[in-house]
Order: sequence, then structure tokens, then C-alpha cells
Amino acid sequence: QVQLAESGGGVVQPGRSLRLSCATSGFTFSDYAIHWIRQAPGKGLEWVAVISVDGTMQFYAESVKGRFTVSRDNSKNTLHLQMVSLTADDTAVYYCATGRYTSSWLPYWGQGTLVTVTS
Amino acid sequence: DIQMTQSPSSLSASVGDRVTITCRASQGISNHLAWYQQKPGKVPKLLIYAASTLHSGVPSRFSGSGSGTDFTLTISSLQPEDVATYYCQKYNSAPHTFGQGTKVESK
Repeated sequence: QVQLAESGGGVVQPGRSLRLSCATSGFTFSDYAIHWIRQAPGKGLEWVAVISVDGTMQFYAESVKGRFTVSRDNSKNTLHLQMVSLTADDTAVYYCATGRYTSSWLPYWGQGTLVTVTS
Repeated sequence: DIQMTQSPSSLSASVGDRVTITCRASQGISNHLAWYQQKPGKVPKLLIYAASTLHSGVPSRFSGSGSGTDFTLTISSLQPEDVATYYCQKYNSAPHTFGQGTKVESK
């Protein structure tokens, strides 16, 4: 079955960087766009970014544009979210999710990884 | 960017009640709308896509309707396990904005 698993979360100081990863199985990785969604503690869902199947297109939420970069290596079935200049507002559970296309509903989600930005 | 506004923000209903949640887009999005259910401490689950298509395995008491800017999620007969927060999401083009969520509680 389709599985996604995020890793790389943790506690980081404001202004520092962190890289999240999303490992997948159960589907042909190179055929699916991958999205990142986050959820601050006690808050709603916020769409963050998406990368196309071949990695040539990325789209970002305005709140992270210029600070977050999503990348993928289809030869290694890996996906990363590089986050720089982190602030307390970036504190959240980060989910990777997939739904085949960059513009698609999301039937498959990982369990999420918590990022806490604090001094 | 297109904004997604859900109403109400929360509601309380009895088991067996019909529950309706609305989602309004600030611009037309055709039928490119999905609904998700998130129970406390759990991962969101897809309920409906293309505004009205029930995702595999979702109980038939859930239904969706709408097109353009106005959409509705209906639970025909609320069950105890339906206590959750529900989100709409547009996916016609980036950013794929979520609504702010509607918390459904049981009386």
C-alpha cells in the first residue's frame, strides 16, 4: 500500500535551518507530485509547497516563498524540504502527501514530523 | 490568491442529525475542491474530491456538492465517530489553500 514517512523534524533556534525528508513506498515515486502541508499546534492545515513529478516545477505558499525549497531525486525515491531562516511561526507538524499531480486532491498522507522553532 | 472560507467555525449536533458545512472560494474554482476529516491527534483523511466524488471507503452518509465558488459538505446522519474537524481545500492551481476548518462536536 501507499506509504509516506517524514523525518528530520526537531527543535531548532530561530534563524537556523532544517531539512525534512519524505520517504515513500507502495507506488511509483517518479509518477507522483508530492505536497507539503503543515499544521501549527492547535491550528488548521496550511498548504506549504508542491513539486512536480520530474522536479522541474515547484510552487510555494507566500508564507514560505524564498525560505523553503522542495527537491526530489527520482533515482533514489527521496524528497526533501529545505527550510532556512526559520521563525517561531514555522513551528508545526509537517506532513508530506501525494495525489498524483501538482493540482490534485490528496488521498495519501504521512504521519508528520514536528518542527519546533524556539530559542 | 484565492481565499477559502468555511462556515461555521464550529457546531454542535446530536447523533442522527443532519450536518451541513459550507466552503466558499473568493473566485471560481470549477469543481476542484476536496474535503478532509481530521480527528484529534490524527492525520487528515480525504473524504471527497472533485466537489462531490466520495473517496474509496468513506461512508455514504457523507456527501458533497457545489461548483464555482460555493460548496457544501453534508453528513446525513451524524455518528459519534464523525466528531472531528473538517477542512475544504482548493486544488485547481497553487497555492492549494485550505479553509480554516469546521469543528464538529456531539451534543
